[in-house]
Amino acid sequence: QVQLVESGGGVVQPGGSLILSCAASGFTFNTFGMHWVRQAPGKGLEWVAVLSYKEDTQYYADSVKGRFTISRDNSKSTLFLQMTSLRSEDTAVYYCARKGLCSPGTCFSGVTAIPYWGQGTLVTVSS
Amino acid sequence: SYVLTQPPSVSVAPGKTATITCGGNKNAIKSVHWYQQKTGQAPVLVVYDDADRPSGIPERFSGSKSGNTATLTISGVEAGDEADYYCQVWDSTSDYVFGPGTKVAVL
Repeated sequence: QVQLVESGGGVVQPGGSLILSCAASGFTFNTFGMHWVRQAPGKGLEWVAVLSYKEDTQYYADSVKGRFTISRDNSKSTLFLQMTSLRSEDTAVYYCARKGLCSPGTCFSGVTAIPYWGQGTLVTVSS
Repeated sequence: SYVLTQPPSVSVAPGKTATITCGGNKNAIKSVHWYQQKTGQAPVLVVYDDADRPSGIPERFSGSKSGNTATLTISGVEAGDEADYYCQVWDSTSDYVFGPGTKVAVL
């Protein structure tokens, strides 16, 4: 079964940096795009970034553009989120999630859905 | 930018039907997906592409869409359905967008 396990969260000072990792298993990692989605304490879900399976396209929410970088290592089935210039408003649980129900070209259902999520890792930005 | 609106809360008695709406600010809302999130847990996809259910999701969960409004219906509500529910779309200008969420309380 699909498993996504995030790590790397913790407490960081404003202006600091942090790298999150997500270890994927149970599916062919290098055929699916991957997302990061976050949720501030007591708030709703906020999409952060998405990276294609070929690493040739990546998109970011305006709130993190220029500060966060999404990347992946397909040889290790791992997704990353490099976060710099962190602010208090970046405090949240960060979820790693898989893009789409099917790998591109194999079906046309649920293409823009986010069917699988990790359990999340908490990032706290505080002095 | 693309904005989705949802009612903050819905209350429903066990066995009754809960209806959650999701409105888009542009004509003809995009393909809508719905997620259930119980306290302290990761979101779970319960409806995709407006009205389809992933395997393992009970038939009690159904989705529909008309114009710029999508609806998630939970029939025969059970205590275990108490959760936050989020709608989500993809838009070419805003990328992935989530609604603000609706808290379903089972009385």
